[in-house]
Amino acid sequence: GQNIDQPTEMTATEGAIVQINCTYQTSGFNGLFWYQQHAGEAPTFLSYNVLDGLEEKGRFSSFLSRSKGYSYLLLKELQMKDSASYLCAASSGTYKYIFGTGTRLKVLA
Amino acid sequence: DADVTQTPRNRITKTGKRIMLECSQTKGHDRMYWYRQDPGLGLRLIYYSFDVKDINKGEISDGYSVSRQAQAKFSLSLESAIPNQTALYFCATSDLGDEQFFGPGTRLTVL
Repeated sequence: GQNIDQPTEMTATEGAIVQINCTYQTSGFNGLFWYQQHAGEAPTFLSYNVLDGLEEKGRFSSFLSRSKGYSYLLLKELQMKDSASYLCAASSGTYKYIFGTGTRLKVLA
Repeated sequence: DADVTQTPRNRITKTGKRIMLECSQTKGHDRMYWYRQDPGLGLRLIYYSFDVKDINKGEISDGYSVSRQAQAKFSLSLESAIPNQTALYFCATSDLGDEQFFGPGTRLTVL
């Protein structure tokens, strides 16, 4: 079957670093996306990993291990505006996207 | 102007009514998708279309139908709305293998 798991909720302090994990099980895996979604708004693209390793983009980094079916999103120097849900999504087969249920991150002052 | 637009943005309707949600895009993408989002369940795929002549069911297509009128337009219909179809609906587009671009969403309430 196809499945994506990520924690439901996380809390961190402004200025800190937080790592949001995602494990996936899907056939015909192509790559792994991360999206940010503020409450009541549309998801917006953060990162895409196809190959194993770390991709860094400013304060955000994303890691992929294809052999372990594992990814994480690393957020550094947390800001209050980073309070949002973070969605992990696997692209599989003929480029369909399978989404996890999202991790709701609360950043505290 | 937004690349992906959805109308209406909010809709309240009654059980048994026919509802159409519309999506338009100016990104020139062939691929379009309809999702619904419910608290605790994430985004679930209803239908997707890889070009004008291609329509495919997603994981939760029962009770829904779609029409791809043009490359830029993809409509979702609820033939006879029921309360458990109350949700936030998103349209999205993508190019082959690339990230998806989402519309602002339609909040639908079925009473």
